[in-house]
Amino acid sequence: DIVMTQSPDSLAVSLGERASINCKSSQTLLHSSNSQNYLGWYQQKPGQPPKLLIYWASTRDSGVPARFSGSGSGTDFTLTISSLQAEDVAIYYCQQYYSSPYTFGQGTKLEIK
Amino acid sequence: QVQLVQSGAEVKKPGASVTVSCKASGYTFTNYGISWVRQTPGQRLEWMGWISGFNDNSDYAHKFRGRLTMTRETSTSTAYMELRSLTSDDTAVYYCAREDRGHWSFLDLWGRGTLVTVSS
Repeated sequence: DIVMTQSPDSLAVSLGERASINCKSSQTLLHSSNSQNYLGWYQQKPGQPPKLLIYWASTRDSGVPARFSGSGSGTDFTLTISSLQAEDVAIYYCQQYYSSPYTFGQGTKLEIK
Repeated sequence: QVQLVQSGAEVKKPGASVTVSCKASGYTFTNYGISWVRQTPGQRLEWMGWISGFNDNSDYAHKFRGRLTMTRETSTSTAYMELRSLTSDDTAVYYCAREDRGHWSFLDLWGRGTLVTVSS
């Protein structure tokens, strides 16, 4: 199975500041057939299901604010929130869909400093 | 609107089975598949498997093979997940999520989850 490791486990950032979450996979997620990275990012707020933010490592899902961006390729990926808003407090997960079983990172809890 | 509506919470005894349903609306069910993901009390997300809404194709995580069955009913746009031989380790919130019907894709729409509690 592909192991997904996120860092840090928790993060406290001031409102308006940048937040970055890293995700590392134990195998490449870059598919040679289409040059796509099979990596998604999800946001989960308390009492709610996960919500897709980013897919193919860098494509924002419909309706996701532009302050969210994804980058990286191969085995190293980053989710960046350019200017933290109060409503961004949540747990963030990365997920690979390159091979079965799909696997998720352990989650990063984002709080306001 | 586009949504997945799951069945209600369940309490089961060890050794029993549970079936969770997931009814899709607002989109063409056969154009997508359904993945099932569970979330343990420690907040870990664990993918269980996928079933196509178009044909009988499915893909189960090897951890669950032998006690997991996923089915779908296209006439009602409903997917089902049956997990057998339950233990306390199966206590979790179970989510269904929409995935591309061809598999190997992201999960772009999630149900609100079904809490399954296994306790004697």
